[in-house]
Amino acid sequence: DAMVIQNPRYQVTQFGKPVTLSCSQTLNHNVMYWYQQKSSQAPKLLFHYYDKDFNNEADTPDNFQSRRPNTSFCFLDIRSPGLGDAAMYLCATSRHLDRGPEETQYFGPGTRLLVL
Amino acid sequence: DQQVKQNSPSLSVQEGRISILNCDYTNSMFDYFLWYKKYPAEGPTFLISISSIKDKNEDGRFTVFLNKSAKHLSLHIVPSQPGDSAVYFCAASSSNSGYALNFGKGTSLLVTP
Repeated sequence: DAMVIQNPRYQVTQFGKPVTLSCSQTLNHNVMYWYQQKSSQAPKLLFHYYDKDFNNEADTPDNFQSRRPNTSFCFLDIRSPGLGDAAMYLCATSRHLDRGPEETQYFGPGTRLLVL
Repeated sequence: DQQVKQNSPSLSVQEGRISILNCDYTNSMFDYFLWYKKYPAEGPTFLISISSIKDKNEDGRFTVFLNKSAKHLSLHIVPSQPGDSAVYFCAASSSNSGYALNFGKGTSLLVTP
């Protein structure tokens, strides 16, 4: 089945130690998104790629970076994780940036990051 | 600044009855609204959407109602089934930033037999 895959499902890192979260998709979608969801909070968009074009949300901290080496893969790099970065990180894809049910965002199961 | 609000963290409904999940928004520029459903250990999945040019959209057991003057939308599930037990997220976007979804915190629905 076509899907959005996130590995690992759980990631433990140390305070200040760089960590990379991975997302892959078999949908061949043009757009890939990264969301951060803290406990009992709403998912918050960090950035997205449309093909190779990177778009950062205005309030995304510089500590968060992303790479998209090809259509299928997108990585979230946290350069120096702080305790406040502990959260669920959701990857999503969509065919385009248009709106409508045909262009809905498909989400992966998420990676839960714990910072010690 | 939470622009999409789901004020009920949880809701419990008996099987066969109607479930009504509510959502309020503050940004008058929002003109497209969605509901996502999330089971434990899975990502959110798209359920139903509505454009601001409509006040109702129906898909099987699911109906979304939009009241633009009140900046309020609701999701009705009828009849509710135990398999509907999940977290429901309301999301909104505007034409100015078409792709950016602003999510609420979610409402956990429990449908009891």
